Amino acid sequence: AQSVAQPEDQVNVAEGNPLTVKCTYSVSGNPYLFWYVQYPNRGLQFLLKYITGDNLVKGSYGFEAEFNKSQTSFHLKKPSALVSDSALYFCAVSPLGRGGYQKVTFGTGTKLQVIP
Amino acid sequence: NAGVTQTPKFQVLKTGQSMTLQCAQDMNHNSMYWYRQDPGMGLRLIYYSASEGTTDKGEVPNGYNVSRLNKREFSLRLESAAPSQTSVYFCASTLGGLGPNTEAFFGQGTRLTVV
Repeated sequence: AQSVAQPEDQVNVAEGNPLTVKCTYSVSGNPYLFWYVQYPNRGLQFLLKYITGDNLVKGSYGFEAEFNKSQTSFHLKKPSALVSDSALYFCAVSPLGRGGYQKVTFGTGTKLQVIP
Repeated sequence: NAGVTQTPKFQVLKTGQSMTLQCAQDMNHNSMYWYRQDPGMGLRLIYYSASEGTTDKGEVPNGYNVSRLNKREFSLRLESAAPSQTSVYFCASTLGGLGPNTEAFFGQGTRLTVV
């Protein structure tokens, strides 16, 4: 069965510092990988995805993620954190191929706190 | 741009009561989903509808029923609420299957408490 691990419940970073939110996955075959962000009392919003191609994926709000096949990781990064980046971040994985979002497994989420 | 609209936003039920959570999307999406979000467990799929006229069980369907009323609307019904169904419920929609242009759009959620 496929799975996603977000090993940190919370990540604290000072404003202006680089941030990393970690994600590792397990899936049969090649993966689709996603990052979503959830602001307080809101639904999830799409940030970025990896399907094939360049291992470095750029997304919304200056975020990027690096796909590492050998380490089965898809860490979310940003060069300079903003206080407004404080939110809950979800990593998700699906096997590559046909089908819908019913095949997507979400991680448990990592709370990012950016300290002014 | 309304996107995905869920009603109500908050609800308190007594054990054994029933209720229906409503979801509507205005993006002409084919597929719709219901998730529940519980602390430490991420999102878990309850039911989904790949296209108008079809519904299927997800990971945690027990105690729930769904109706895909038309292409826009997908409702979730709790026939006899239990405290274990206390959760935040999200509706989501996608244009179709997974692919290069796939992203899911989520509603703002319904916070349900069963006492």
